[in-house]
Amino acid sequence: GEDVEQSLFLSVREGDSSVINCTYTDSSSTYLYWYKQEPGAGLQLLTYIFSNMDMKQDQRLTVLLNKKDKHLSLRIADTQTGDSAIYFCAELMTTDSWGKLQFGAGTQVVVTP
Amino acid sequence: NAGVTQTPKFQVLKTGQSMTLQCAQDMNHNSMYWYRQDPGMGLRLIYYSASEGTTDKGEVPNGYNVSRLNKREFSLRLESAAPSQTSVYFCASSEYESHTEAFFGQGTRLTVV
Repeated sequence: GEDVEQSLFLSVREGDSSVINCTYTDSSSTYLYWYKQEPGAGLQLLTYIFSNMDMKQDQRLTVLLNKKDKHLSLRIADTQTGDSAIYFCAELMTTDSWGKLQFGAGTQVVVTP
Repeated sequence: NAGVTQTPKFQVLKTGQSMTLQCAQDMNHNSMYWYRQDPGMGLRLIYYSASEGTTDKGEVPNGYNVSRLNKREFSLRLESAAPSQTSVYFCASSEYESHTEAFFGQGTRLTVV
């Protein structure tokens, strides 16, 4: 199958850490991505990880990849109200020279004061 | 720096009407894409253009046509709109056809009544 699965909703208190989880199915995926969508806006690339990496850190963001379990997570440290958005996990599935992005349904993150 | 620009931002059509969604990018990217976003379903690829002069079907091409007018512009046409085409449409572009680091437009919210 080609499903990328995420939980649909996460509520977190301001200042706490958020962890958004994702599972994917294609073991040949080369890149895995996290996109952020704010209300009424397009998707903004937050970060990505190459499939031969276990972890990538970028300021408040930490991406963990467990390739054996096909599990990807995004941790946001010190979550702020501006982090309220929908977060999409996506895997890059490649055939020949063409790469197709397979998106999850998105996780709505709500940050409460 | 505009990035990816889509017009219009909102549109209401009657069933059977036709319209063209416009997309332009100013990043000199080779590849461009059209997605639709529906609640609980993530983004699904409608059509893509790996490079100027080529277009190919994505996952959900039925009811749509595309034109890669030049390197900058990629339009999506609905010949006879149906209520099932009510959705938010996103255009994206990337430097390579491998889809790495795609940049998205702000989206067009289309309602077909």
